[in-house]
Amino acid sequence: EAGVVQSPRYKIIEKKQPVAFWCNPISGHNTLYWYRQNLGQGPELLIRYENEEAVDDSQLPKDRFSAERLKGVDSTLKIQPAELGDSAVYLCASSPSRAGVNTGELFFGEGSRLTVL
Amino acid sequence: SQQGEEDPQALSIQEGENATMNCSYKTSINNLQWYRQNSGRGLVHLILIRSNEREKHSGRLRVTLDTSKKSSSLLITASRAADTASYFCVGGSQGNLIFGKGTKLSVKP
Repeated sequence: EAGVVQSPRYKIIEKKQPVAFWCNPISGHNTLYWYRQNLGQGPELLIRYENEEAVDDSQLPKDRFSAERLKGVDSTLKIQPAELGDSAVYLCASSPSRAGVNTGELFFGEGSRLTVL
Repeated sequence: SQQGEEDPQALSIQEGENATMNCSYKTSINNLQWYRQNSGRGLVHLILIRSNEREKHSGRLRVTLDTSKKSSSLLITASRAADTASYFCVGGSQGNLIFGKGTKLSVKP
C-alpha cells in the first residue's frame, strides 16, 4: 500500500515568490492534516480537513497561506508571498478517522523542505 | 486539542542501554500515541495505548500510561544506533493532535 506522498521534497525560492506543496493521502483516508515543523521543534498544526471540509484552520496564517482539498482526496498548500520566516518543513498526514476516535494513528509523508532566501 | 510535552529534551546513551522518555499531557484523552522521527524524515507511528490500558508492549518498546497523573513513559530496551531519532508523544481525543517539542535520543555505538 502506498503511503502519503508529498511533493516537492525540496524547494528553494526567494522571498516574495509563491510556492505550492502537494499531498496525496493514503487511499480511503478521509482526514488530512498539514503541519509545519521548524528546526528542532515539533510539528505545528496548520489545517485539518475532514473530507473536503476544512474543520480547523485556526492556526493557518490566512494573509499568505491557503489550502484546498478538492474532491476530498489530494490537497495543496500555497504560500503567497513567501517570507524568510516560512522556511520550514511542511508535513502532510492522513488518518482513516478523526484523530483519537478510532485508531487515531496519523500517517505522515516525508515532508517538503522549504528554504526562503 | 491535546498537547504532549516530552522530557527530557535530549538523551544520550550507549548502545545496549535502555532509554526512557516521559510525556505529560493536560486534559482527558482517548489514547496516547508515540511517534519517531529520523532526521530529515516524516514522523512514524510507534505505538498507541488506550486510556483504559496501563501498559503495552511492542517488540523492544514498552509504554505505560497513568491517566491519574496525565503522564506516559516510553521505554526502549537494548537500544541500537538506529534508534537515534526524535520521539514525540501526543494525546488523542476529539480534537487535533498537537505535538510537543520531542525528546532527541542519541544512541552511541
